[in-house]
Amino acid sequence: SYDLTQPPSVSVSPGQTATITCSGYKLGDTYVSWYQQKPGQPPLSVIYQNNMRPSGIPGRFSGSISGNTATLTISGTQVVDEADYYCQAWDIYIVGYVFGTGTKVTVL
Amino acid sequence: QVQLQQSGPGLIKPSQTLSLTCAISGDSVSNNNAAWNWIRQSPSRGLEWLGRTYYKSKWYYEYAVSVKGRVTVKPDTSTNQFSLQLNSVTPEDTAVYYCVRHGGTYFDHWGQGTPVTVSS
Repeated sequence: SYDLTQPPSVSVSPGQTATITCSGYKLGDTYVSWYQQKPGQPPLSVIYQNNMRPSGIPGRFSGSISGNTATLTISGTQVVDEADYYCQAWDIYIVGYVFGTGTKVTVL
Repeated sequence: QVQLQQSGPGLIKPSQTLSLTCAISGDSVSNNNAAWNWIRQSPSRGLEWLGRTYYKSKWYYEYAVSVKGRVTVKPDTSTNQFSLQLNSVTPEDTAVYYCVRHGGTYFDHWGQGTPVTVSS
């Protein structure tokens, strides 16, 4: 199996761009999803299949992948975007889902 | 709309079996285009997928390597529910447990979460 590594924290000023990376061996061989989690709530998908947004997710959320690194970008970050963010992928080698280590986004 | 309602104990003793149930409304556990999962979350282990079941002409079951041999995910078509059983629990199994639907592309519906503590 492989671990998905994320930076523990990212700080951003309101209106600026937040960038969160997710690295993993052979990550480019599968689709990546991203989830936002606020305290006391279950995770909520903000990106699926590397760069697709679920219905209702604002356009300021975007995703990309290059090689074995996936990136979640929040453009024009708002205070409401303050949360933990997790990447997730399907591990074809162990036949199971794996999650990233999580990144706490602070907007200040 | 799809809703998942979890039930089960919040406190369990070491070596016992953890049993949780997830009641589905707005969808069918036999939906050919969905898979029914259990995921847990703890400060030490983060988000951890435990296993899933899904139906495509027959039932399939897949489990995480970390809990394989201790875990069972089972559908119940008569009640439109699915369940989690985790045997021989230890304090390391203390976590918030979620039942989750995967709609074919991502985890799109989550239960409310059940905090479970393993302690004597």
